[in-house]
Parts: sequence; structure tokens; C-alpha cells
Amino acid sequence: DAGITQSPRHKVTETGTPVTLRCHQTENHRYMYWYRQDPGHGLRLIHYSYGVKDTDKGEVSDGYSVSRSKTEDFLLTLESATSSQTSVYFCAITGGGRLYEQYFGPGTRLTVT
Amino acid sequence: GDSVTQMEGPVTLSEEAFLTINCTYTATGYPSLFWYVQYPGEGLQLLLKATKADDKGSNKGFEATYRKETTSFHLEKGSVQVSDSAVYFCALVDSGGSNYKLTFGKGTLLTVNP
Repeated sequence: DAGITQSPRHKVTETGTPVTLRCHQTENHRYMYWYRQDPGHGLRLIHYSYGVKDTDKGEVSDGYSVSRSKTEDFLLTLESATSSQTSVYFCAITGGGRLYEQYFGPGTRLTVT
Repeated sequence: GDSVTQMEGPVTLSEEAFLTINCTYTATGYPSLFWYVQYPGEGLQLLLKATKADDKGSNKGFEATYRKETTSFHLEKGSVQVSDSAVYFCALVDSGGSNYKLTFGKGTLLTVNP
């Protein structure tokens, strides 16, 4: 299994509070991605990174920001959480000799009340 | 933009039944195609892939063939087991320099009863 961990695994927070989710990899892969999974929508890309300090928006980036100061860590921040951001968040990585294959972390279940 | 359409579920089968989950795609470039599986409470796992037309991906008894003429990548298994119960996602990556971003279908829930 690819070495990807996410923390926390579960979080309940209140509307308007800031939240940061962490993705950590031990594979030294260049590309990292944040997705959210919602019923009826599949997985949708929030932000991605193609190197340290190199990030770009996905299709549902509003209300989210990211940072990548080290190869191994990719942080997703909700500056002011809203109930519409209640979701399961997955991190994925790709790199090395298999650039077309993404490997996913276990997910973070976030509930905004 | 790129898109993936897969059959809506849920799909309920009896053990040893034949499975087909349809997937079609739209892409501006020449994509690689994937099936991912998500077991309850877990992240997604790559099940199989195909990178060019007429390629057949296979794994764990599942198969899918990249059909460029019909823009399809249907998932099949000849005899499903209870342990195959999961959500299945069809996905593509446009090989034309897209930073390897995946575009997913909405997922199909499969339940296999003993």
C-alpha cells in the first residue's frame, strides 16, 4: 500500500470556524490532490499540487485553500467552515513511474454543524 | 471538458451472477481509463486500468476493455462474490499534460447477496 495518511480521520466543527486537514505521504511523489466525496457527485477535485509551493485549483475550490511547504505534506484549509462543506475528504498522490495511477488515503469525515 | 458517465445504481446481484457496470466518457485528448473500487469505510483502490484503445485491463476477475469507437470502458465480472460489494468508480486522466488530474463518474453501488 502507498504510504498516505490523513489526519484527523473524523472531525466535527461549528460553522464559521477554521479547519485544517493534513495529508502526509512517505512515497516522495510529486503530485498530490484533494478531493471531496458527496452522495450523487462521486469525487470532485478541490485543489492539487505539482510540487513544493506549486498548487492550482480544481473544479470545487471556492472556500478552500491549500499549502505545500514540503514534498510529504499537503494541507487543506477551510477558512470559515460552512455546512455545505460537510463531506468526506480524500487525499491522493501520484508520481514515480506510474504517473497515471493515483493512490488514495483513508479519508477524513468532516461534519460542520 | 472531460466527463465520465456510469450507470446509476444501486445494483443488487446474487452470488455467482454476471456483473456489468457501464461507463462512457468524453475527453478532448486521448485519455487513460480506470476503474476504482471503494469498500465500506475505506479510501479508493485502483482496480484496473487501460491506457490505449483495445487494451484490456484485468484484476481480481474483473475486466474492462478500452473501446475508442464507442468511448466506453464497461466493467465486467463473470461470477461475483459477496466480498465484491462496494462502490465502483470509472475515471479518466487526459494524457495531454493535465497534471494527471482524474475525472470521476458518480459511482455505482454494488451489493452482492449470498
